Amino acid sequence: DAGVIQSPRHEVTEMGQEVTLRCKPISGHNSLFWYRQTMMRGLELLIYFNNNVPIDDSGMPEDRFSAKMPNASFSTLKIQPSEPRDSAVYFCASSSWLAGGETQYFGPGTRLLVL
Amino acid sequence: KQEVTQIPAALSVPEGENLVLNCSFTDSAIYNLQWFRQDPGKGLTSLLLIQSSQREQTSGRLNASLDKSSGRSTLYIAASQPGDSATYLCAVSTTTSGTYKYIFGTGTRLKVLA
Repeated sequence: DAGVIQSPRHEVTEMGQEVTLRCKPISGHNSLFWYRQTMMRGLELLIYFNNNVPIDDSGMPEDRFSAKMPNASFSTLKIQPSEPRDSAVYFCASSSWLAGGETQYFGPGTRLLVL
Repeated sequence: KQEVTQIPAALSVPEGENLVLNCSFTDSAIYNLQWFRQDPGKGLTSLLLIQSSQREQTSGRLNASLDKSSGRSTLYIAASQPGDSATYLCAVSTTTSGTYKYIFGTGTRLKVLA
């Protein structure tokens, strides 16, 4: 398996623009997680899905952030409008209940810079 | 609210040295604790997972211990090598309906000098 795939790997945009980050989980995994990592706050869970349904979005910082999972093999995290303080590395991870659910497999991340 | 702290924030050691990384958490009601490794520009890789009922886990040169009652875990790396240079994060989890929600520490940046 190719592992968790994220795109783009790097994104530079200007304040006010819409940003869409994409994630393809490992095939067969039924939980998907979006994290944000910054120097100041470390790695924070933004939202997670079980079987494509959002379960806990309490970590989503503001209404400018939204996430969707239209099917088992694809999820997006959208920021609209983007602000400089959104600059961070965004990780997607997936896990499988059949495998116990405890180990999360992380993608390589998307490094976002908002100017 | 669960808080996870890792000390030290950064560590530099000569090759071959044994070392200990520390992790503490404020709420002992955890389901498990996991240690991850993160290489620059990459995602996280799980190293060791300790269930709340366990005291330690070992994998090769790595040994992780857990003292849930005191809210502490340590990661012991024996005979360190330059390839061990990375950031190490610990994470504690709660579980809801079979999904594990992790709270991460800020990590320890380790540099092993050749």
